Amino acid sequence: GAGVSQSPRYKVTKRGQDVALRCDPISGHVSLYWYRQALGQGPEFLTYFNYEAQQDKSGLPNDRFSAERPEGSISTLTIQRTEQRDSAMYRCASSLSGPRTDTQYFGPGTRLTVL
Amino acid sequence: GQNIDQPTEMTATEGAIVQINCTYQTSGFNGLFWYQQHAGEAPTFLSYNVLDGLEEKGRFSSFLSRSKGYSYLLLKELQMKDSASYLCALTNRDDKIIFGKGTRLHILP
Repeated sequence: GAGVSQSPRYKVTKRGQDVALRCDPISGHVSLYWYRQALGQGPEFLTYFNYEAQQDKSGLPNDRFSAERPEGSISTLTIQRTEQRDSAMYRCASSLSGPRTDTQYFGPGTRLTVL
Repeated sequence: GQNIDQPTEMTATEGAIVQINCTYQTSGFNGLFWYQQHAGEAPTFLSYNVLDGLEEKGRFSSFLSRSKGYSYLLLKELQMKDSASYLCALTNRDDKIIFGKGTRLHILP
């Protein structure tokens, strides 16, 4: 079916507000990844899921960042008490199986701006 | 720890050949990916190497030397549409994935 989708595509928020970013992976893909990408840089790994299990969250910058994938499909990345340094492109990707050997398909990203 | 190095920018001429190098350090190396990313768009898969040697796919080829911690992406018969960033990414046996900062390739007519 369709590729990876993310919403919203753009989010502008004020410092201190909470934001929730949504990712809808390709149907049937087991693994889902969250990345943050600064302009002119490669994707920076945040966390990934196999089905609903969060396998690795070592890339989350601090405890204001959290992610869930409760039914093994759609995932939400939540940033609490946003700060200006959180402004970035947040990308989601999915793969048929795990990250070791499988191609990742990236979504269009959510551009987050914290004022 | 894990580390990936690739040149920040390269310039080449339409119709020519360009080689983009990637060196890496990691424990428990598993495989290496190359992705292409046009400005303002999402990365898209180009190639995956797990064994030493050259993998050819049309105008694009990717090479891996596990013993040297080295890979390159070779682009032949360059076209203007090949202007993009090229991302080297590695995975290890702990299912860690890390992307390099990317190489911005400029194609001149």
